Amino acid sequence: SQTIHQWPATLVQPVGSPLSLECTVEGTSNPNLYWYRQAAGRGLQLLFYSVGIGQISSEVPQNLSASRPQDRQFILSSKKLLLSDSGFYLCAWSRTGRRETQYFGPGTRLLVL
Amino acid sequence: QKEVEQNSGPLSVPEGAIASLNCTYSDRGSQSFFWYRQYSGKSPELIMFIYSNGDKEDGRFTAQLNKASQYVSLLIRDSQPSDSATYLCAVNPPGSGYALNFGKGTSLLVTP
Repeated sequence: SQTIHQWPATLVQPVGSPLSLECTVEGTSNPNLYWYRQAAGRGLQLLFYSVGIGQISSEVPQNLSASRPQDRQFILSSKKLLLSDSGFYLCAWSRTGRRETQYFGPGTRLLVL
Repeated sequence: QKEVEQNSGPLSVPEGAIASLNCTYSDRGSQSFFWYRQYSGKSPELIMFIYSNGDKEDGRFTAQLNKASQYVSLLIRDSQPSDSATYLCAVNPPGSGYALNFGKGTSLLVTP
């Protein structure tokens, strides 16, 4: 069976500090990978998705970036965090194909102070 | 802007009753529809997906899709207190690549 991991589970960071969130998937190969953010009172917003190593598509322009250095590893980064970056960050995976169901990891709760 | 609309609730139903959750979407060409359940502080978990018009049943859950009217609903039969959560509707519109557009969710409260 497939398993998706995210870490850290919670993070408190000062404004202007860097960020690195990691997501890994087990039990499947060549998955599609996604980063979402869920801010308080708002719906899930797709930030990035990847269909393969080194292939990143950005959905929303912002001060975040994503990388996929390995097939089952997806990293979300920022050089300088803003207060507005606070939220619940969710990694998801799906099998290849546009209609495939997306499955979410446990999430990282980020608070920027 | 591709919209997915849900009533935020809370929707309160007594234990054992049928809970009906509704979702409308703006992009008529959408073809894939998903319902997720999200407990407070947790990540969304898939309940059901539906691609074709009509009903799809899985245990106590039934998803209903009407593409002509652009709505999708989720019925929960014999509601239990453990069903209390926020239910998210997600739609994959055409031309959006792999993106899912999510509604903001409906909060369901099942009272004993």
